[in-house]
Amino acid sequence: SQQGEEDPQALSIQEGENATMNCSYKTSINNLQWYRQNSGRGLVHLILIRSNEREKHSGRLRVTLDTSKKSSSLLITASRAADTASYFCATPRIQGAQKLVFGQGTRLTINP
Amino acid sequence: DAGVIQSPRHEVTEMGQEVTLRCKPISGHDYLFWYRQTMMRGLELLIYFNNNVPIDDSGMPEDRFSAKMPNASFSTLKIQPSEPRDSAVYFCASSLVTYNEQFFGPGTRLTVL
Repeated sequence: SQQGEEDPQALSIQEGENATMNCSYKTSINNLQWYRQNSGRGLVHLILIRSNEREKHSGRLRVTLDTSKKSSSLLITASRAADTASYFCATPRIQGAQKLVFGQGTRLTINP
Repeated sequence: DAGVIQSPRHEVTEMGQEVTLRCKPISGHDYLFWYRQTMMRGLELLIYFNNNVPIDDSGMPEDRFSAKMPNASFSTLKIQPSEPRDSAVYFCASSLVTYNEQFFGPGTRLTVL
């Protein structure tokens, strides 16, 4: 099964609302990353949070990490139509390992 | 910097043909990753290189797939012979230090008829 699993699989909200996506993982990690993928494009890195951090902000993005629950959340505030995309969390396959494992993603649709 | 460059962007071929996908990583990056993305299986890591050396190819589906990195600025992923189930979007990504962000190319959409 996937190391990181996003929830929900799909989310549709109105422009201006906040969007929250969750990610759960199974093993201990050094960091967790969030990526965005617009339709027909490659993934774009959004934010990395390390295991000793609990919260991190970047513009309208807020990421939290709860290592005790092995979960992370991505909050997008004041959503815009341009935020319509799929969002993936990614974690190292094994703590300290070189490669990332991506979840299946959350497909976010922002309705005007 | 132009980012990660992949070619071709689209490839349509017939079953049994050889397919070669190309990638130019970001200059100075020392890790290169090949991924495959499908609706059914999501994003799968096929192989990755460090300083042009293959480190882990456990994700390569079978012997029909091979990847090379002859120098720091070029890598290929070859499928020979291709099959319809190889149809997917193939991404190349590079990174400077592996725990940091990976930069993805635009992908190659492969269709095998």
